Amino acid sequence: EVQLVESGGGLVQPGRSLKLSCAASGFTFSDYYMAWVRQAPTKGLEWVASISYDGGSTYYRDSVKGRFTISRDNAKSSLYLQMDSLRSEDTATYYCTTVQWFAYWGQGTLVTVSS
Amino acid sequence: DIQMTQSPASLSASLEEIVTITCQASQDIGNWLAWYQQKPGKSPQLLIYGATSLADGVPSRFSGSRSGTQYSLKISRLQVEDIGIYYCLQAYSAPNTFGAGTKLELK
Repeated sequence: EVQLVESGGGLVQPGRSLKLSCAASGFTFSDYYMAWVRQAPTKGLEWVASISYDGGSTYYRDSVKGRFTISRDNAKSSLYLQMDSLRSEDTATYYCTTVQWFAYWGQGTLVTVSS
Repeated sequence: DIQMTQSPASLSASLEEIVTITCQASQDIGNWLAWYQQKPGKSPQLLIYGATSLADGVPSRFSGSRSGTQYSLKISRLQVEDIGIYYCLQAYSAPNTFGAGTKLELK
């Protein structure tokens, strides 16, 4: 059974940093592009960033470029999102997902950016 | 960026009724379209991929179709468990973009 378990969310002040993690199991992690998708409270879904199989290629939405860094550790079957210079508009539930049709999703981790 | 215009924003329907939700892509995306269902407090669940293919474990009352750059999700006989918010996604090019969502409620 495919499982994606996010962690690392919480309350953080504007301008500070936070690192999200996603532990994957039940599939060959290194065979999949991976992504982070977020959902602000009561809002829709928004793709944030993606990473290739080996981490050699990364992609970001414009609003997080230069502030967020996606990475992965295939040996640990783990995906990460380093979020720096956080803004109030980054407040959302962050989901880890497999890029192939975004078929598998974690339960999400809530990030709240507020003073 | 490719825009996905989803309609309606909300929909109220009766049990056993046929329900149709549409997404209009701002340019040609071929069959690179997926549909998701999200229930309150839960993660999105893939329903349809490749515009018309049913994901594993999804009831056959769900179906997807395409006409040019317009895509439709049809629920043939609405059930209580189908209540939630539905999203389309274009997987043709980065940045992947979702529709704004359709909130489906029981009448």
